[in-house]
Amino acid sequence: EPEVTQTPSHQVTQMGQEVILRCVPISNHLYFYWYRQILGQKVEFLVSFYNNEISEKSEIFDDQFSVERPDGSNFTLKIRSTKLEDSAMYFCASSVVGARSSYNEQFFGPGTRLTVL
Amino acid sequence: KQEVTQIPAALSVPEGENLVLNCSFTDSAIYNLQWFRQDPGKGLTSLLLIQSSQREQTSGRLNASLDKSSGRSTLYIAASQPGDSATYLCAVSQGGKLIFGQGTELSVKP
Repeated sequence: EPEVTQTPSHQVTQMGQEVILRCVPISNHLYFYWYRQILGQKVEFLVSFYNNEISEKSEIFDDQFSVERPDGSNFTLKIRSTKLEDSAMYFCASSVVGARSSYNEQFFGPGTRLTVL
Repeated sequence: KQEVTQIPAALSVPEGENLVLNCSFTDSAIYNLQWFRQDPGKGLTSLLLIQSSQREQTSGRLNASLDKSSGRSTLYIAASQPGDSATYLCAVSQGGKLIFGQGTELSVKP
């Protein structure tokens, strides 16, 4: 069964460093998302992406964050200068149709645990 | 602003029991509602999607209902098994994103 994959599974970085989290969405999906979950808190939406453009973004997704689809299979989240409070599990998700459709079912990857020291 | 709440926060039941998990949301203008399962330190597995025009969906031992007007959904698990132990999350689709509840941590004892 097709699934979303993410690498690395765990990333440790120093405060102020740049990190890139990678995702391979399900191959026939056209809509891509990043969410994060700080330990013990709710899963929070960061950004959605379609047709090489950001569709929606939350107030969390500030200028330190960027997303890119560098080729036909990968979808990346970059954090330019990490802060301690960026420590969280980051989930990538994908869907066939967009999130403003009742048919939108999002499929999530296993996550990347980001630890900022 | 949409708020999603799940009750109870944790639930422990003996194996074989039928159980109900609850999810409530404050704004009924949603596209759909999705139930997920999350194992410790792992990703989210989609269990059921209920479109806004639907009342319920079934998959195996799972049955989810949706009452948009009252802002409620329930996930019914029949004949629970130890392998069902996990955190169950509900999320509503609104404004181009999923908005999650905090989850119900379920423990099924053998």
